[in-house]
Amino acid sequence: DTGVSQNPRHKITKRGQNVTFRCDPISEHNRLYWYRQTLGQGPEFLTYFQNEAQLEKSRLLSDRFSAERPKGSFSTLEIQRTEQGDSAMYLCASRQTGPLTGELFFGEGSRLTVL
Amino acid sequence: GIQVEQSPPDLILQEGANSTLRCNFSDSVNNLQWFHQNPWGQLINLFYIPSGTKQNGRLSATTVATERYSLLYISSSQTTDSGVYFCAGGRGSSNTGKLIFGQGTTLQVKP
Repeated sequence: DTGVSQNPRHKITKRGQNVTFRCDPISEHNRLYWYRQTLGQGPEFLTYFQNEAQLEKSRLLSDRFSAERPKGSFSTLEIQRTEQGDSAMYLCASRQTGPLTGELFFGEGSRLTVL
Repeated sequence: GIQVEQSPPDLILQEGANSTLRCNFSDSVNNLQWFHQNPWGQLINLFYIPSGTKQNGRLSATTVATERYSLLYISSSQTTDSGVYFCAGGRGSSNTGKLIFGQGTTLQVKP
C-alpha cells in the first residue's frame, strides 16, 4: 500500500496525558499537512511541512501541540497535557513535489478521545 | 482567508434519484477537490477540479472558476453513496498550497 499511513488509528487517553501521532506520507511527496476534524465539522488546517521545514502553523495549534518532520519523511504530532477539547480526528495529507497545485491525498486519520 | 460554503447541508434521496451538491468560494482558488468521507473517517478523493468538467462513472463535477463555484453531480444514487461530501479549495500561489474545507453535505440514500 503506497498511500498515506497514520497510526495509531484510535487513541483513548485521560486528561493531562501526552499523546503522539505518526504520519508516513506517500514516499515521493515532500509536502505534508496536518488537519483536525471535530464532530460535524469540516477538517481544519493545523500545520504544513515542506521537507523538514515547518512553514506554517495555524492559530489552532496551541503551545501544547508540536509537530516535527525531522528527516523530511514521516511526521509526528504531539499533544501535551491533553484536554477534553482535544478530542477529534487528526488527519495527515501529502502532496507531490512541484507546484503548490495538485491533488492532496489523506490518510485514514487518528481518532483521539480524551476522557 | 478563503471561506467555503456548501449546500445543502443535508440531503435525503431515494435510491436511483439524482442530486447536485454545490460549493461556493469567497475568493478565487486554483486548487479545488471534492471528497467523500467514509464511515471510518477517511477522506476519499473524488475529483481534483480547479476548472472545467470531469466525469467518473455516476459522478461528475463542474467548476466555474470565474464565478467561484463548483458542482458535484450524483446520478442514479445508491445506498453506498451515503456519507459526507466535502469540497475544499485554496490558492497554490500561497506558500503552502493548503486546502480550506467547507462544512460538508451529509447525504443519505434510502433503499
